[in-house]
Amino acid sequence: TQLLEQSPQFLSIQEGENLTVYCNSSSVFSSLQWYRQEPGEGPVLLVTVVTGGEVKKLKRLTFQFGDARKDSSLHITAAQPGDTGLYLCAGPQIQGAQKLVFGQGTRLTINP
Amino acid sequence: SAVISQKPSRDICQRGTSLTIQCQVDSQVTMMFWYRQQPGQSLTLIATANQGSEATYESGFVIDKFPISRPNLTFSTLTVSNMSPEDSSIYLCSVQTGYLKGALYEQYFGPGTRLTVT
Repeated sequence: TQLLEQSPQFLSIQEGENLTVYCNSSSVFSSLQWYRQEPGEGPVLLVTVVTGGEVKKLKRLTFQFGDARKDSSLHITAAQPGDTGLYLCAGPQIQGAQKLVFGQGTRLTINP
Repeated sequence: SAVISQKPSRDICQRGTSLTIQCQVDSQVTMMFWYRQQPGQSLTLIATANQGSEATYESGFVIDKFPISRPNLTFSTLTVSNMSPEDSSIYLCSVQTGYLKGALYEQYFGPGTRLTVT
């Protein structure tokens, strides 16, 4: 089973600041996904990255897949209180499989 | 996409009892999964619910403790049996639908069932 490690596990910053969350593995992933989970809800898929070096943008969120497909990052510009939540990266347990393995998550708090 | 509902949304149960959680999807899906999320933690896959056959359990999870039913392509249940306080968690139903070119199936989650065992 492939493992994903996220850092930091907790992050509390002021509104308007920028931040980056990392998702790392010693294994190669065919793709990685990022989810956001708010209290009382299930995770919601934000993005899937599939090509080494790929960069995807979702408004103020920028997602990057490492060239070697072993890591990914999520960068938020000018964070807002609505960005508060648990951010999870996930990838297939083994290449081509449909079962996901999740990172430990990053709990992000944006203070007004 | 898929819309998933779960019942109950939360429950407080006594030690030694059992709780059955229902998952309903608004469309037919092949793959359904059950996850556990302990307080402040990430998601751990319990099992894959297979339609017409026994569920496939991950390491550390057994059928006697977490029996699963999948009578059709839109519905599944997870029972947490003989509960102890260690079973206090959020239980999430998840489905895969469609196929993302060259990569991974799209995966959707229900809102979860928050279980507290006293």
